[in-house]
Amino acid sequence: GQNIDQPTEMTATEGAIVQINCTYQTSGFNGLFWYQQHAGEAPTFLSYNVLDGLEEKGRFSSFLSRSKGYSYLLLKELQMKDSASYLCAGMDSNYQLIWGAGTKLIIKP
Amino acid sequence: IAGITQAPTSQILAAGRRMTLRCTQDMRHNAMYWYRQDLGLGLRLIHYSNTAGTTGKGEVPDGYSVSRANTDDFPLTLASAVPSQTSVYFCASSDSTDRGNEQFFGPGTRLTVL
Repeated sequence: GQNIDQPTEMTATEGAIVQINCTYQTSGFNGLFWYQQHAGEAPTFLSYNVLDGLEEKGRFSSFLSRSKGYSYLLLKELQMKDSASYLCAGMDSNYQLIWGAGTKLIIKP
Repeated sequence: IAGITQAPTSQILAAGRRMTLRCTQDMRHNAMYWYRQDLGLGLRLIHYSNTAGTTGKGEVPDGYSVSRANTDDFPLTLASAVPSQTSVYFCASSDSTDRGNEQFFGPGTRLTVL
């Protein structure tokens, strides 16, 4: 079966660094997406990885290990506006996204 | 440029009633999708369309139907609503279904079936 696992909730402090992990099992693999979703809003795209390694984009970085079926999203210099849910999604062999339930990130001052 | 719009924003519906959720995009994207999002669960694909004139079933298609008469519009119809269809519905689009194409989401429709 296809499955995406990520922690339900995490708490971090403003200015700190947090790593959100995701493990995936998909039928075939065409990449791993991360989306951000603020409460009551639509998901918005953060990153896409299809090759192993780290992709850096400003304060956010995303890592992929295909052999381990593992990805993480790294958020640096946390700001209060980063309080949101972070959704991990794997793209399967049919190019459809399989979504995790999301990790709710709470930022404390 | 509006991106993707959905209507209505929210709706309370009696069980057994028919309801159409509207979705329009102005990005000329080929692919469109309907998802539902329920607390504690990931987004689940209901139906999708790779291009105008074609549709396909996703993970949870029962009780829903879609049409794709043109590139811009992708309405979702609940023929006879049931309380288990209470959810937040998101429409999304992408340039294509190839790897790496990000999906752009509409603002969502919050549907309550009583």
